Amino acid sequence: AAGVIQSPRHLIKEKRETATLKCYPIPRHDTVYWYQQGPGQDPQFLISFYEKMQSDKGSIPDRFSAQQFSDYHSELNMSSLELGDSALYFCASSRRVTVTIAKNIQYFGAGTRLSVL
Amino acid sequence: KQEVTQIPAALSVPEGENLVLNCSFTDSAIYNLQWFRQDPGKGLTSLLLIQSSQREQTSGRLNASLDKSSGRSTLYIAASQPGDSATYLCAVTHGKLTFGTGTRLTIIP
Repeated sequence: AAGVIQSPRHLIKEKRETATLKCYPIPRHDTVYWYQQGPGQDPQFLISFYEKMQSDKGSIPDRFSAQQFSDYHSELNMSSLELGDSALYFCASSRRVTVTIAKNIQYFGAGTRLSVL
Repeated sequence: KQEVTQIPAALSVPEGENLVLNCSFTDSAIYNLQWFRQDPGKGLTSLLLIQSSQREQTSGRLNASLDKSSGRSTLYIAASQPGDSATYLCAVTHGKLTFGTGTRLTIIP
């Protein structure tokens, strides 16, 4: 079965550079979530999109932006990178079961490991 | 704000023993609870998902229970094996996932 695809798997950048992470959800999934996991930390929710519209926002820095495209893939853009942005970035996708309540099962990609030097 | 806590933070047990990992959450208004496994530097592998209306789920040697009213879940691992060594994370869903702090499990051969 198809899974969530994230690219690249590894990315090395220098301070103040920009980075773009991509996420391709499972076919027919309409919701995408981004999480950030720092070294030794638990994953923290950044942002989510449902049907190409932002649906929820967590602890995402203003230097980061994201969007979901018409083919439902999502990109996380990170500018003015800082050393503290070094982390594992996960994307998850789900298919909304009902209109009013999201009892979604989230399926995770393998993650993108970003190292900022 | 939802807070998820896992106890203990680390656990070492001899191979073959049964063990229990604990997860507690502060807000019982959840849609479901998931248990994940994470190997060092790797991604998240979903082990079990319990819907809010369910009390437990089983998969092989794993059994997860959920008591929403008390804000608790447990993950029971039977007949532990060295390959079970990993960090186990619980996460509650209320739209987004809120993860617990994790339990680092080491099975001693």
